[in-house]
Amino acid sequence: EAGVTQSPTHLIKTRGQQATLRCSPISGHTSVYWYQQALGLGLQFLLWYDEGEERNRGNFPPRFSGRQFPNYSSELNVNALELEDSALYLCASSLLAGGSAVGELFFGEGSRLTVL
Amino acid sequence: DAKTTQPPSMDCAEGRAANLPCNHSTISGNEYVYWYRQIHSQGPQYIIHGLKNNETNEMASLIITEDRKSSTLILPHATLRDTAVYYCIVMIYNQGGKLIFGQGTELSVKP
Repeated sequence: EAGVTQSPTHLIKTRGQQATLRCSPISGHTSVYWYQQALGLGLQFLLWYDEGEERNRGNFPPRFSGRQFPNYSSELNVNALELEDSALYLCASSLLAGGSAVGELFFGEGSRLTVL
Repeated sequence: DAKTTQPPSMDCAEGRAANLPCNHSTISGNEYVYWYRQIHSQGPQYIIHGLKNNETNEMASLIITEDRKSSTLILPHATLRDTAVYYCIVMIYNQGGKLIFGQGTELSVKP
């Protein structure tokens, strides 16, 4: 069974540009989560989508946005890129809202965004 | 959300048990304890979770104190591949995946 897949693996942008990152959850999973991991920092919760709706949002500015498609895949958009947006962006999925086994999330390998 | 405190780093000899402590003194009655680990440059991996009873699976054991203010993750026979950052997280049931990751413990398993 395929795990959570993310694309692109690496992305290089310049300040002010927009970045779009994509995530395909494990088949049958309806919830998708996005996390940011900047160098030297821990994982920061960004967004949670379930059944196409945004359910929860972390402490990030509105230029971080996303959506979930009818097939439960998701994309994360970052507008007006800033240097500090350089980070590993991780997507995770779970079977039910809140986690398939009370919080068990399955993570992808991440997309590394570099802003120059 | 309750916060957790973990030592920043630990060493363990290969083949020995690795005991990773976590303090969560402000945990509330409906919060679970979860453990994840992140091997360098990979996505985090779920290990185990529990509420009040000790738990064991194929990867590890989780020991939660009776007052639930602390817990210990035990890797019974650590291997070099267990070298990773281990995160202890507390979360209310069904909170929707908003796992709050702290700084974790960097475990180094040495030959």
